[in-house]
Amino acid sequence: GQQVMQIPQYQHVQEGEDFTTYCNSSTTLSNIQWYKQRPGGHPVFLIQLVKSGEVKKQKRLTFQFGEAKKNSSLHITATQTTDVGTYFCWAGAGSYQLTFGKGTKLSVIP
Amino acid sequence: DVKVTQSSRYLVKRTGEKVFLECVQDMDHENMFWYRQDPGLGLRLIYFSYDVKMKEKGDIPEGYSVSREKKERFSLILESASTNQTSMYLCASSYRTNEKLFFGSGTQLSVL
Repeated sequence: GQQVMQIPQYQHVQEGEDFTTYCNSSTTLSNIQWYKQRPGGHPVFLIQLVKSGEVKKQKRLTFQFGEAKKNSSLHITATQTTDVGTYFCWAGAGSYQLTFGKGTKLSVIP
Repeated sequence: DVKVTQSSRYLVKRTGEKVFLECVQDMDHENMFWYRQDPGLGLRLIYFSYDVKMKEKGDIPEGYSVSREKKERFSLILESASTNQTSMYLCASSYRTNEKLFFGSGTQLSVL
């Protein structure tokens, strides 16, 4: 599958601080999906972005798809302890070979 | 809600054993996938299937095979388990290509 880089690998924040994770691809993507995995759990779908420059919001979460459709970001405003987990991006480029980023593990210090 | 069920949550096997991991989905999804998850390596695709009796290799198929005899069931087979196959195995399904994935709860396999 194609390579998709996700950074940072780990992020520790104080509760109330913001958090951002980035996903970058060397090739143009058809769409990108974001998943959250709580500790001890399995990945759960959050959102899918399809259009160039698309921005979607879910409460304190903001998702962006780059204009060139090669990168994406997930931003959490004012983190809470319930945000703890690993966030994965999945990059689609029209093939069946689905590629996940390695994930960003978020720790929130109360 | 879509349900993806993996037969075992924890499994302990010995080196050289043949291991079967079963996955069943209840929503008539076309696509099914097997991933393994290891710390620091993320989710790596082993095999996937987009139709009954069809299979495609993912990024790390060596040492594994799969079977999809019925649409709802996708099995992962370790022909001769080795210690480096100790991992969390996650099954997933999706209705169509590039649509969202629904994951099972995972099987933590330990090969001793």
